[in-house]
Amino acid sequence: KQEVTQIPAALSVPEGENLVLNCSFTDSAIYNLQWFRQDPGKGLTSLLLIQSSQREQTSGRLNASLDKSSGRSTLYIAASQPGDSATYLCAVGEYGNKLVFGAGTILRVKS
Amino acid sequence: DARVTQTPRHKVTEMGQEVTMRCQPILGHNTVFWYRQTMMQGLELLAYFRNRAPLDDSGMPKDRFSAEMPDATLATLKIQPSEPRDSAVYFCASGFRGNFSKNIQYFGAGTRLSVL
Repeated sequence: KQEVTQIPAALSVPEGENLVLNCSFTDSAIYNLQWFRQDPGKGLTSLLLIQSSQREQTSGRLNASLDKSSGRSTLYIAASQPGDSATYLCAVGEYGNKLVFGAGTILRVKS
Repeated sequence: DARVTQTPRHKVTEMGQEVTMRCQPILGHNTVFWYRQTMMQGLELLAYFRNRAPLDDSGMPKDRFSAEMPDATLATLKIQPSEPRDSAVYFCASGFRGNFSKNIQYFGAGTRLSVL
């Protein structure tokens, strides 16, 4: 059974810092990996999706990497802003579109 | 602006009552998912449908939960009878599964259920 772990569970940084969120998974037979953002009381917004054949994806200040063989993904956020404060969820896509989620990293960017 | 719509947004009910949650997927999407989010368990997949047919409901307690897609524009998740341990946020997501699709899932805002 796939298990997804996210480290750290919570992170508080001053505005402007570059930061890295980590995600690890136990079964490397994945279809893709997605990073989501969740704001309090809201649904999930997809940030980046990396297909299993890809190594990384970039969108603006966000960069996500994937190392399938080691079962790891990282989300890099450059020049963090208070508006980046949210919970970031990593989800591994299995065959059939099923997603297995990590518990999330709660990020707070202080102004 | 295409989005997944869930109703109601909030539901407070008493133990033993029936609860029905509704989801309108994005037009053209052929896959619909139901997830449950709690502090203890995080996000868990309950069931999902493709082209309105149930593909996997192994995450759902069968004795009290049921999920259906009466048509392509409506998915329902029903709990009967509800119990306090069912209190959670229930999310619906939709996506398009095809040969060349990216398989991104788009989430609704969720239904926050409280069973007293």
